[in-house]
Amino acid sequence: NAGVTQTPKFQVLKTGQSMTLQCAQDMNHNSMYWYRQDPGMGLRLIYYSASEGTTDKGEVPNGYNVSRLNKREFSLRLESAAPSQTSVYFCATRWWGAEAFFGQGTRLTVV
Amino acid sequence: AQTVTQSQPEMSVQEAETVTLSCTYDTSESNYYLFWYKQPPSRQMILVIRQEAYKQQNATENRFSVNFQKAAKSFSLKISDSQLGDTAMYFCAFEETSGSRLTFGEGTQLTVNP
Repeated sequence: NAGVTQTPKFQVLKTGQSMTLQCAQDMNHNSMYWYRQDPGMGLRLIYYSASEGTTDKGEVPNGYNVSRLNKREFSLRLESAAPSQTSVYFCATRWWGAEAFFGQGTRLTVV
Repeated sequence: AQTVTQSQPEMSVQEAETVTLSCTYDTSESNYYLFWYKQPPSRQMILVIRQEAYKQQNATENRFSVNFQKAAKSFSLKISDSQLGDTAMYFCAFEETSGSRLTFGEGTQLTVNP
């Protein structure tokens, strides 16, 4: 039982490159989330999916796109990476109103 | 938009003492959920405590308890008998029952000193 699997764990991109962060859960949760964590700014919500087939913008969606591929998988895509997107990214999953379970995080550096 | 504010970027406490972390939030809803999460240096996110807004009784989990003041939109976390393992970043989080959107505050770095 893996819980929440997030890949990759580390990534270095050049400005303008694209990449997709993958998140998969085997907990049968309905809601999935992508956050970024920067020093002094806490966890900021990028996008979330309340249930399969729906996605909504969070606080900082610019420069990102998401896909809720099915109930298990929720991917985050950076189409043209910028240095301002250097951050630690977390995927989370949960039932409404309940505890969130997080992936181990992806440390992304854009140079 | 929902907002969650933690006004204490850093705090420290001596081992075995009590410390209180502050959190305020803004919402027009009457029913919602509030959470405190802990993030140790490993970066793992761990649920500390959960409160449902319609319950007037403050939640407690062993040495952790909250002071939930609904009218003031305040949700503070009290840690009693602090232990070295409590050293971590603590995040307050909020979810309105109508939407599933889970919003976090900026975090408070707590250091427990021996």
